[in-house]
Amino acid sequence: GAGVSQSPSNKVTEKGKDVELRCDPISGHTALYWYRQSLGQGLEFLIYFQGNSAPDKSGLPSDRFSAERTGGSVSTLTIQRTQQEDSAVYLCASSLVPTNEKLFFGSGTQLSVL
Amino acid sequence: KNEVEQSPQNLTAQEGEFITINCSYSVGISALHWLQQHPGGGIVSLFMLSSGKKKHGRLIATINIQEKHSSLHITASHPRDSAVYICAVSRQGAQKLVFGQGTRLTINP
Repeated sequence: GAGVSQSPSNKVTEKGKDVELRCDPISGHTALYWYRQSLGQGLEFLIYFQGNSAPDKSGLPSDRFSAERTGGSVSTLTIQRTQQEDSAVYLCASSLVPTNEKLFFGSGTQLSVL
Repeated sequence: KNEVEQSPQNLTAQEGEFITINCSYSVGISALHWLQQHPGGGIVSLFMLSSGKKKHGRLIATINIQEKHSSLHITASHPRDSAVYICAVSRQGAQKLVFGQGTRLTINP
């Protein structure tokens, strides 16, 4: 596609439910990143994919968070048993190759956990 | 202390003024990124620098690797430049970005 696409754009869920957030990167981009931006906070790294593998998962806050990428393209971030502190904007970015390349960001998914 | 520090946190100026936003970092880096985030909007990458200076339109970004410092300049500022500007660095040997807290810029007409 023309840009990085994320869905849904907004998600409201109840505490304890599972949610799935989707990212469709720019075609041909091998590197894919998930970041999170909480209200009043800066951006924080969650996970990085190179192809289908995730060499850096160091930013995932807990084992309730997981992500996968299939076919070197679409990625899904799953949050199990959501908590109120999970409320944030979840941003996906991709780049052509992983090292020192310009990043292209999606518009994000606004997650609200009630 | 954060690895990436930006100043100022907030900046209000009049249309036409020359704007400077500063970024200091404390780790060895392979690249530094300047990003722009409009209210309610997504993030756009403005520059990626590993040395020297880059210019795009009215925007200029410089980096001094020895001093671990970068600046983003906006010439002839315009209200549409109002946004949050974020500095981020790629640590040497790592792929993820470490972000500054951002500078909220408001340009009044």
